[in-house]
Amino acid sequence: EVQLVESGGGLVQPGGSLRLSCEASGFTVSSNYMNWVRQAPGKGLEWVSVIYSGGSTYYADSVKGRFTISRHNSKNTLYLQMNSLRAEDTAVYYCATDRDAFDIWGQGTMVIVSS
Amino acid sequence: EIVLTQSPGTLSLSPGERATLSCRASQSVSSSYLAWYQQKPGQAPRLLIYGASSRATGIPARFSGSGSGTDFTLTISRLEPEDFAVYYCQQYGSSPPYSFGQGTKLEIK
Repeated sequence: EVQLVESGGGLVQPGGSLRLSCEASGFTVSSNYMNWVRQAPGKGLEWVSVIYSGGSTYYADSVKGRFTISRHNSKNTLYLQMNSLRAEDTAVYYCATDRDAFDIWGQGTMVIVSS
Repeated sequence: EIVLTQSPGTLSLSPGERATLSCRASQSVSSSYLAWYQQKPGQAPRLLIYGASSRATGIPARFSGSGSGTDFTLTISRLEPEDFAVYYCQQYGSSPPYSFGQGTKLEIK
């Protein structure tokens, strides 16, 4: 079964850091475009970052310089390292694979940035 | 960055009726890279349509997508009770950033 499972969310203070993980099963992370998408409470979807199969990475302007997307091929896992967190980063974070559009999504992990 | 504007913001219809949702882009989008998603409360989005008009695996035939350039449409031919949800369009694939529309809430009248 093709599946994505996120973990690593939680409560963090402003200025703090958090690393999200997204473990894949049923397909190979390194062979696909892999994305992070977030959704603030009661709001719409916001694309955050992508890592291409070739390794190129791209970010939304709102997170550029603070977030880093990466993958561990042998663990078949995608990561999002989030530094210098702000209140406006509070959201559910989803990982999603882009084969024919974003066809597989994880269940999401909640990140709350608050003092 | 391509900005996607969806209309209407909220659509109130009854089961059995036809729903037409619009997505307008600030600049031309390759039809190969326009998608539609459905999201229900507490759930992850689900891909409905990719490439502007291709149904994703397992999506019922009552869902169809059309359009090109800057104007795209999602049509649900006869609404079922499970279709009431929020719908998002998205441009993806060619050059990031990959933007989403703000969403259309389809509610029961």
